[in-house]
Amino acid sequence: DQQVKQNSPSLSVQEGRISILNCDYTNSMFDYFLWYKKYPAEGPTFLISISSIKDKNEDGRFTVFLNKSAKHLSLHIVPSQPGDSAVYFCAASLYGYNAGNMLTFGGGTRLMVKP
Amino acid sequence: EAGVTQFPSHSVIEKGQTVTLRCDPISGHDNLYWYRRVMGKEIKFLLHFVKESKQDESGMPNNRFLAERTGGTYSTLKVQPAELEDSGVYFCASSQDQGGGYTFGSGTRLTVV
Repeated sequence: DQQVKQNSPSLSVQEGRISILNCDYTNSMFDYFLWYKKYPAEGPTFLISISSIKDKNEDGRFTVFLNKSAKHLSLHIVPSQPGDSAVYFCAASLYGYNAGNMLTFGGGTRLMVKP
Repeated sequence: EAGVTQFPSHSVIEKGQTVTLRCDPISGHDNLYWYRRVMGKEIKFLLHFVKESKQDESGMPNNRFLAERTGGTYSTLKVQPAELEDSGVYFCASSQDQGGGYTFGSGTRLTVV
């Protein structure tokens, strides 16, 4: 039973536009969420995170929004660049940042940014 | 600093054979994790070491999988005997504290034929 779901396997966006990647979770005990970016033949790299006590976290072109009541989070990339083309994974942790161990990942969304 | 290193990058073995994957974490990182991604699906947790001790091995699929971290430095993950469903990409990650934003290696792609 998948506790973290990314229902869109792929997304295509024009360069300069906004990319919105979505993630839903079922376990209300998750209290820390992360986004990872993965290029082919490389491991996932940490992108941005958010604690459940917040509803928004911004880092440059990347913003993560958390809607706890809906158990939904999204990653916004503005403006999108061709170099952003990668697979994006949403992940959740039960134990926050300082004590988190296991991460539960979604299936990933392949983002393609067209020049 | 050097990143998390995994060896080999690819391995093709026959069903029933044994394979050993190796992970060298970032120097000084006490926490080492193994994850795997099967058939392009979600990345799933296998286990977590703190130094040489297994903190959580709840994700290990069965007793054909054996992970070790002797001396608290590098780790090995042995699959014996390998089955077809073991094919996938095995990722290792390490972190300094028990935080979520840890560093992943490039993975070992295991193909069992």
